[in-house]
This record gives sequence, structure tokens and C-alpha cells, in this order.
Amino acid sequence: GAVVSQHPSRVICKSGTSVKIECRSLDFQATTMFWYRQFPKQSLMLMATSNEGSKATYEQGVEKDKFLINHASLTLSTLTVTSAHPEDSSFYICSAAYYGYTFGSGTRLTVV
Amino acid sequence: AQSVTQLGSHVSVSEGALVLLRCNYSSSVPPYLFWYVQYPNQGLQLLLKYTSAATLVKGINGFEAEFKKSETSFHLTKPSAHMSDAAEYFCAVSDQSSGGSNYKLTFGKGTLLTVNP
Repeated sequence: GAVVSQHPSRVICKSGTSVKIECRSLDFQATTMFWYRQFPKQSLMLMATSNEGSKATYEQGVEKDKFLINHASLTLSTLTVTSAHPEDSSFYICSAAYYGYTFGSGTRLTVV
Repeated sequence: AQSVTQLGSHVSVSEGALVLLRCNYSSSVPPYLFWYVQYPNQGLQLLLKYTSAATLVKGINGFEAEFKKSETSFHLTKPSAHMSDAAEYFCAVSDQSSGGSNYKLTFGKGTLLTVNP
């Protein structure tokens, strides 16, 4: 079946640094990738929608300069959290719209 | 705009008992509906989906859900709970108004299922 590989699974970074999260579609082409953020014991909140070769569409309230999304190829989408702060600590999940939306395994970001 | 309401943030059942997780939706267009399961620190796994075909949808791991338009519901059931079913379950509706073939999903708040031995 369709697999979205998300890396890293966990990352700890210092406040003020940037972190890149990658999502790769392993056996299909992902024209569109969705990026979600999930706080502990809460639901998923859509942050942005990325389409290959074009600028991402961000949801209201999401800082596009803080959460940089790049979808340069049909198999790779990246989310970069720039100048991370402790309040950016969260669980980030990507999803490709393919056969009911295939999700990555998530990235636990902790900013210290 | 679509919305999803999951009744009960926490459901507890005994092993072997019926599992019933409730989901009601709001949609201005015929919806596509999904149930996902999430284990701790993992992504979401699709259990089943409704896309305007049969109203009774069978999924993986013995789960099924019935689409009831008159009740705007899509409840998830499993006849006999296993310990391995303990997880967080999310109901979601697709936003077909986004256009194209890649629709955004709107999630419910989730229901934590615990299974007691």
C-alpha cells in the first residue's frame, strides 16, 4: 500500500534554531501534501496545504514565515520550523491525498 | 463548511464487549467520511471511509460504520473489543468545496478508547 515516510520521528532543538521535517511518498506521487499540528490529547489542526511546484496555502492564523513549506518534487515535501520557540513544541504530521489520505508517522518536536 | 462532532472524549469497554464510537457531521454537500485510529506517538491509520457508495462500510480489524443521512451520523462499531484496539479514534469529513481532487479533512476532537481486561 501507499506509504508516506516522515523523518525525523523525534527531534529536540534549542530555542532560536530551525528544524526541518521531511515527508516522502515512497511508492506514489503526491501532488498535494497536507501538514497538521497536534497538541497533546487534542485533534489535528491543518496548518497548510502544499502543492508540487507552487506556493503552499496556509490556514488562517498560521505564520507562513515561521512554518516554511516546500514541495519541490512529487515525492518530497518539507516543513521547516524557523527560529523555533518552546511554544512550537508539538506533534507534526503530514498527509498525502491518496486513497483516503495517507499519513506519515509524525514528528515530535521539543524546543528547549 | 464541514464540521465533525465526536460524542464522548473517552469510551471504556471490557474486552469482548461491543465498541460504539459516535460521530455526527455537518456538511452542505454530500460528504466523504473517514475513521482513523492513532496509537501513541504515531500517525493516523485509515480504518474505513464512506464515499457515497454502500452506506454500511466495512474496514480493517473488524470495524465497520454506517452512514445515516437522516441522522447525519457515521458511528463506528466493532462487535468484540480486543486489548489491541485501545487507541485514539478520529472521525473526519472531507471538504469537497476545496475544489479539485485533493480535499482538506476536518477532524473531530477524537475519542480515546480504553479496553479493560
